[in-house]
Amino acid sequence: SYVLTQPPSVSVAPGQTARITCGGNNIGSKSVHWYQQKPGQAPVLVVYDDSDRPSGIPERFSGSNSGNTATLTISRVEAGDEADYYCQVWDSSSDHYVFGTGTKVTVL
Amino acid sequence: QVQLVESGGGVVQPGRSLRLSCAASGFTFSSYGMHWVRQAPGKGLEWVAVIWYDGSNKYYADSVKGRFTISRDNSKNTLYLQMNSLRAEDTAVYYCARDRLDLWGRGTLVTVSS
Repeated sequence: SYVLTQPPSVSVAPGQTARITCGGNNIGSKSVHWYQQKPGQAPVLVVYDDSDRPSGIPERFSGSNSGNTATLTISRVEAGDEADYYCQVWDSSSDHYVFGTGTKVTVL
Repeated sequence: QVQLVESGGGVVQPGRSLRLSCAASGFTFSSYGMHWVRQAPGKGLEWVAVIWYDGSNKYYADSVKGRFTISRDNSKNTLYLQMNSLRAEDTAVYYCARDRLDLWGRGTLVTVSS
C-alpha cells in the first residue's frame, strides 16, 4: 500500500517560515491535499490539488509537489498556526485514500 | 448552514455492532461522494471508507474491509457506517467528510471495551 511520510514535528519562530514535507513514491504524479487540525477539532482543508487554497484560507499557506516530495509552506507564521498538519492523496492503484503520518507544528 | 453532524457513537463490547449516522445539511447531498475517516486517541487520521454520490461504488480500508459497511440514503440526506465485529483497535473518533474532504463533521467517539 502507498505510504506518505512526514516529519513528526517542526518548530518555528513567529514571523518565520515553516516547511512541512510529505514523502511518497513518485508523489509528484498525484494530487496532494493538506489539512490542519487543532486540538479537539475536526481537520480543515488548507491546500488542495498541490497548491490551491480553499476560500477563507490565508495566502500564507502554499503548497508544491514534485518528484518524491510534496511541501506545505506556511509563511509569516502566527501563534494560531500551531496545529497538526496532514498530507493526503488518492492511491488509484488500490482505490484507497491515504493520509500522511502527521506533523506537529510548534510556534516558539 | 452547510454542515455534517455525526451521531451513534458510544461504548460497545468487542465483537458487537454499532451503526453511525451522519446528517448533512446546507448542500445537495445527493451530488457528493462521502467518506468516513477515523482517529484513534492520540494518533493520526485514518481513512475508513468512501461511497460514490449515488451509492454505486464503495471502497474500504484494508483494516475494516469485510466488517464495516458504508451506505447512504439520499432521500434523508444521511450517510451511515455499519460496524460489525468491533475490536479494541477500532476505538476512535469517527468523522464523516464530503467528497474532496473539504467539509468535516465534529466527529463521534466509538469506544470498544469490555
